[in-house]
Amino acid sequence: AQSVSQHNHHVILSEAASLELGCNYSYGGTVNLFWYVQYPGQHLQLLLKYFSGDPLVKGIKGFEAEFIKSKFSFNLRKPSVQWSDTAEYFCAVNALSGGSNYKLTFGKGTLLTVNP
Amino acid sequence: DGGITQSPKYLFRKEGQNVTLSCEQNLNHDAMYWYRQDPGQGLRLIYYSQIVNDFQKGDIAEGYSVSREKKESFPLTVTSAQKNPTAFYLCASSIRTGGYNEQFFGPGTRLTVL
Repeated sequence: AQSVSQHNHHVILSEAASLELGCNYSYGGTVNLFWYVQYPGQHLQLLLKYFSGDPLVKGIKGFEAEFIKSKFSFNLRKPSVQWSDTAEYFCAVNALSGGSNYKLTFGKGTLLTVNP
Repeated sequence: DGGITQSPKYLFRKEGQNVTLSCEQNLNHDAMYWYRQDPGQGLRLIYYSQIVNDFQKGDIAEGYSVSREKKESFPLTVTSAQKNPTAFYLCASSIRTGGYNEQFFGPGTRLTVL
């Protein structure tokens, strides 16, 4: 069964600091990869996704993520965070075989706090 | 305004009672999902439905039941058999099931068992 690991439970940064949130998954086949974000009091929403092609994908609000197949990783990055980036971030993986094509497996989430 | 609505936002229940959480979508999506979110646990799939009158168990279906009588509605019943029902429940939908389809989420219902 696929699983997703997010290494940091809570990250605290100051504004303008650079951000990298780790995400590793355990599945050897083809995967689709997602980052979702949950701002305080708001719906969970899609930040970015990777299906195929260029392993560096860009999402909304200046976020990007790099898929490194050899490392089973899909880390989220942002060069300079803002206070408004304070939120919980979830990595999710969909394995494209094995009967679980319907299913998104989520990591446990990383809470990002950005101090002004 | 297209989207997913969940009601109520907060729900309190006494032990031993069944309770039903509402989820409605006007996105014309075939697939709908129920997740449970606990602090530090991420989202775990309870049930999903690929089409009207069809639904399948997810990873943690015990103590829950669903129905899908209409395309736009996917209510979740938390039964008294659910050992630890206090949680935040999220409903989602996508055009179809399958990993190429983005899931859209509702605002959630926070259930507290007293």
